[in-house]
Amino acid sequence: DIQMTQSPSAMSASVGDRVTITCRASQGISNYLAWFQQKPGEVPKRLIYASSSLQSGVPSRFSGSGSGTEFTLTISSLQPEDFATYYCLQHNNYPLTFGGGTKVEIK
Amino acid sequence: QLQLQESGPGLVKPSETLSLTCSVSGGSISSSSYYWGWIRQPPGKGLEWIGSIYYSGSTYYNPSLKSRVTISVDTSKNQFSLKVNSVTAADTAVYYCARDIVATIGLFDYWGQGTLVTVSS
Repeated sequence: DIQMTQSPSAMSASVGDRVTITCRASQGISNYLAWFQQKPGEVPKRLIYASSSLQSGVPSRFSGSGSGTEFTLTISSLQPEDFATYYCLQHNNYPLTFGGGTKVEIK
Repeated sequence: QLQLQESGPGLVKPSETLSLTCSVSGGSISSSSYYWGWIRQPPGKGLEWIGSIYYSGSTYYNPSLKSRVTISVDTSKNQFSLKVNSVTAADTAVYYCARDIVATIGLFDYWGQGTLVTVSS
C-alpha cells in the first residue's frame, strides 16, 4: 500500500497568511493526488485533483502542485472560512490512501 | 441533484456485524461511469477508505479491512451496502458513502452526510 504522510499535522495562522501543506507518498504516484477540506461536522469537500486541477467553484486562492512523491497545497491568502482540516488522498491506484490530515487553526 | 443517504443501526455490540445501506436518489447506481464507495472516520481522527463497488458487483477493498468487510449492490433498489464482521471499539466511526468516478478513481464527488456507528456493549 502507498503511505501518505502529511505535514504539519496542525498549524496556527492568521487571516491573510500564505499557508503551505505538504504531502509525501511512500512511492511515486505520478500526479494522482487530491486535496479535501473538512470543516467540523461537515462532509469532506474536494478542492483539487490530479495534483493541480482546481475543482469547479473552489476559490483561486487554493492551488496544488507536485508530482511523483512530493505535493503541496497552498492557500495564497487565508480567509476566515478556510479554517478547517485538510487531507490529501492518493488516487493513483487501490487501495486509496489518505494522509493523516492538517488542522489549520486561527492564530 | 444526486443524493446519498446512509442508514443503519447507530449502536453495534462488540463481535457482532455492522450493517449499513446507502440509498442513492437523483441518479442511477447502474451508470457505467461510477463506482460507489465507503469511507469512515473515527471520532477526532482522519479518513479511511474502506472499499468501492461497481454496479456489476466488482469490488475493491482496503487490505487492512478486507477479511471483515463485504460491500454489495442492489441495482433494483438503487442501493449499496456495507457489512463489517467481528467489530470492536476500533470500528467506532462516522461512516460515509460516496460516489467515485471510474475514469479517475478517488475523486468522490458526492457524499452522504455520514452516520455515526458506535461499537459498545
